Amino acid sequence: ILNVEQSPQSLHVQEGDSTNFTCSFPSSNFYALHWYRWETAKSPEALFVMTLNGDEKKKGRISATLNTKEGYSYLYIKGSQPEDSATYLCAFGTSYDKVIFGPGTSLSVIP
Amino acid sequence: EPEVTQTPSHQVTQMGQEVILRCVPISNHLYFYWYRQILGQKVEFLVSFYNNEISEKSEIFDDQFSVERPDGSNFTLKIRSTKLEDSAMYFCASSEGGLGTQYFGPGTRLLVL
Repeated sequence: ILNVEQSPQSLHVQEGDSTNFTCSFPSSNFYALHWYRWETAKSPEALFVMTLNGDEKKKGRISATLNTKEGYSYLYIKGSQPEDSATYLCAFGTSYDKVIFGPGTSLSVIP
Repeated sequence: EPEVTQTPSHQVTQMGQEVILRCVPISNHLYFYWYRQILGQKVEFLVSFYNNEISEKSEIFDDQFSVERPDGSNFTLKIRSTKLEDSAMYFCASSEGGLGTQYFGPGTRLLVL
């Protein structure tokens, strides 16, 4: 059974702090790694899709790295703001169009 | 900005009844997906659909489930005989390509009584 793990499960940081969390996935049968941001009462919003080992993506204050050989991806948020509070999901693509989601990391940014 | 839409937003049904959940994907997208999230649990992949046929499905997607693209715009998920454990939020998503960014709809909350 393929398993995708995320850590930590939840995180509370002060406004202005930088933070990062981890997604671990199987290192075989890799097609893609997706990161989503999911705010309460909304639908998941795509942040990044990464397909190549060593990929690094950046969107404003948020960036992500990918290591497919060892099976992990990091998501970094620089200078957290209250509006960054959300659950961050990673999803491991096991084929061209099938993904397995991790359980998410819930981030709360305290003003 | 184009978006994925889903109807209804909420559906309450009796156990054993059939439900059809509807989605309108983004118009130039070719891949369509259904996911569900049971309250307090992970988002789970159900099925992907490409070129008018199922491309991948999970073990959850048994004979009770079916998907269809009845016309050029709608993408539906049918649950033939609902069970209590089918109560969940069901999300539809679409993408341009198979490895592309998936855009999610707002979800349909299904409650089976």
